[in-house]
Amino acid sequence: EPEVTQTPSHQVTQMGQEVILRCVPISNHLYFYWYRQILGQKVEFLVSFYNNEISEKSEIFDDQFSVERPDGSNFTLKIRSTKLEDSAMYFCASTWTGTYEQYFGPGTRLTVT
Amino acid sequence: AQSVAQPEDQVNVAEGNPLTVKCTYSVSGNPYLFWYVQYPNRGLQFLLKYITGDNLVKGSYGFEAEFNKSQTSFHLKKPSALVSDSALYFCAVRGTTSGTYKYIFGTGTRLKVLA
Repeated sequence: EPEVTQTPSHQVTQMGQEVILRCVPISNHLYFYWYRQILGQKVEFLVSFYNNEISEKSEIFDDQFSVERPDGSNFTLKIRSTKLEDSAMYFCASTWTGTYEQYFGPGTRLTVT
Repeated sequence: AQSVAQPEDQVNVAEGNPLTVKCTYSVSGNPYLFWYVQYPNRGLQFLLKYITGDNLVKGSYGFEAEFNKSQTSFHLKKPSALVSDSALYFCAVRGTTSGTYKYIFGTGTRLKVLA
């Protein structure tokens, strides 16, 4: 069964550094999302992406964040200058047109020190 | 604005007993509603959805949920709980009008099924 993959599984970085989290959505999906989850609590929407542009974003998704689909398979989340409060699990998800349920990747645990 | 409420942080139920995990929502227009389950150190896994049609929807692993428009609820149910059902459950809503297409998740309910 096709699945969403994410790399790396764990990223440790120093405050102020840039990080790029990578996702490979399911191949025929058209809508892509990033979420974060702090300490196994609430799942917070960050951004949705369709047709090579952001379709919606949350207040969390400020100028420090960006997303890109550099080729036909990868979907990346970049944090330009990480803060301690960016430490969280980051989940990528994708959806196919017409079915609406999201398929989630296993997540990347980001630790900012 | 869209929102989802899961009023119980934790639900405990004995194995073999029926379980209910509660969810209420707020969204303009018709809602698309979802339940997901999360096991430790894993991503969210889709259980079931309501898009349109029959208010009672059935999903994976014997779970079902009932859409109640007047009460704006979408409670998750299972007739007979298993210990392996113990996990974190999230309700989510997506709107159907412009500007509400993002998925909003509840705070999650931890289900503990006791042997």
